[in-house]
Amino acid sequence: DAGVIQSPRHEVTEMGQEVTLRCKPISGHNSLFWYRQTMMRGLELLIYFNNNVPIDDSGMPEDRFSAKMPNASFSTLKIQPSEPRDSAVYFCASRTTGIFSEAFFGQGTRLTVV
Amino acid sequence: AQKVTQAQTEISVVEKEDVTLDCVYETRDTTYYLFWYKQPPSGELVFLIRRNSFDEQNEISGRYSWNFQKSTSSFNFTITASQVVDSAVYFCALSEATGRRALTFGSGTRLQVQP
Repeated sequence: DAGVIQSPRHEVTEMGQEVTLRCKPISGHNSLFWYRQTMMRGLELLIYFNNNVPIDDSGMPEDRFSAKMPNASFSTLKIQPSEPRDSAVYFCASRTTGIFSEAFFGQGTRLTVV
Repeated sequence: AQKVTQAQTEISVVEKEDVTLDCVYETRDTTYYLFWYKQPPSGELVFLIRRNSFDEQNEISGRYSWNFQKSTSSFNFTITASQVVDSAVYFCALSEATGRRALTFGSGTRLQVQP
């Protein structure tokens, strides 16, 4: 298995533009997580899905952020409009719903909003 | 609410020294899971170990060992005879069986191993 695949790896965009981050979880994993990593706040959970359904989106910073999981093999995280403070590394992770399962992380997307 | 505290922000050791990374957690669940991840300079997050709340046996894997003590809500990680390749940020994480199932991470400990 190729692991969790995220794209793009790097994204530089201008303030106000829409940004879409993509994630393909590991086949057979039915929980998917989006995390954001910054120096100030560390690794924080934005949202997680179970069987394609959003379970907890309490970490989504504001309405500019939205996430979808239209099927078991694809998820997107969209920021519209983007702001400089959104600059961070965004990780996607997946796991099985086995109660003793670890999460596998993608390589991350480094987002820079200028 | 669940919380993970890694009080050591940064540790610097010389190669071949032993080093222990501390992790203290808070949870109301009686069933929960603890994890350690490594983030090398390349940036990816690498799973190291998991432990469930019913298994307090310590574990050793090569130069790595983990000490889980439920009485003190701690899950510490020791690297024996550290090597330069161990230089990374190490994260402790917690997930609950019935509460919040997503992993909650500590703030991480940056380990620098000097040659």
